[in-house]
Amino acid sequence: QMHLVQSGPELKQPGSSVKVSCKASGGSFTSYAFSWVRQAPGQGLEWMGGIIPLFGTTQYAQKFQGRVTINADTSTGTAYMELSSLRHDDTAVYYCCRTRSSTWSAMDVWGKGTTVSVSS
Amino acid sequence: EIVMTQSPLSLPVSPGEPASISCRSSQSLLHSNGYNYLDWYVQKPGQSPQLLISLASTRASGVPDRFRGSGSGTDFTLEISRVEAEDVGVYYCMQALQPTFGQGTKVEIK
Repeated sequence: QMHLVQSGPELKQPGSSVKVSCKASGGSFTSYAFSWVRQAPGQGLEWMGGIIPLFGTTQYAQKFQGRVTINADTSTGTAYMELSSLRHDDTAVYYCCRTRSSTWSAMDVWGKGTTVSVSS
Repeated sequence: EIVMTQSPLSLPVSPGEPASISCRSSQSLLHSNGYNYLDWYVQKPGQSPQLLISLASTRASGVPDRFRGSGSGTDFTLEISRVEAEDVGVYYCMQALQPTFGQGTKVEIK
């Protein structure tokens, strides 16, 4: 049974960048795709983008194009999400999740989330 | 961008009663492979979201059969045949072609 362990909380200043990691254990990392979903305080869910580690292919939500980078290290089974030019409204819980390879359907394993706070 | 619209946004239900959530997409989610790329998720208080239904009607592993997903094209429905206290949470539909979520429907016990 795969588990996803995310890195710890981050406090960042506006204009800086944050990189969140998501380490998979207990399964075949390259058999799946991985998405990043965020949730601002009291708000709904927002898909940011995803990666298929087997091929290294990525897809990003239009809203985040140019500001988000998702990559993966297949040797350690870890996915990463880096968000740049942080603004106050990027304050959110960032989740990684596993999905069926080559589609974004069925996000069936989720990490516990990483809280990113952006404050001056 | 495909816009997902859920209704209602708040749903108080008595235990043992049925509940139904509607989800409409601004474009068809029916892929050429015959599948509708529509998932349902629930986020229980203080927890990460969890998958309920994928491809419009396939229950995820461990999901009770009182949950049923249906629909095709642009109109989809999640039905709970008999609501239990553990079903409290916010339910989201999500289109999986270029993923976007609905606003969420908060299910609470009367």
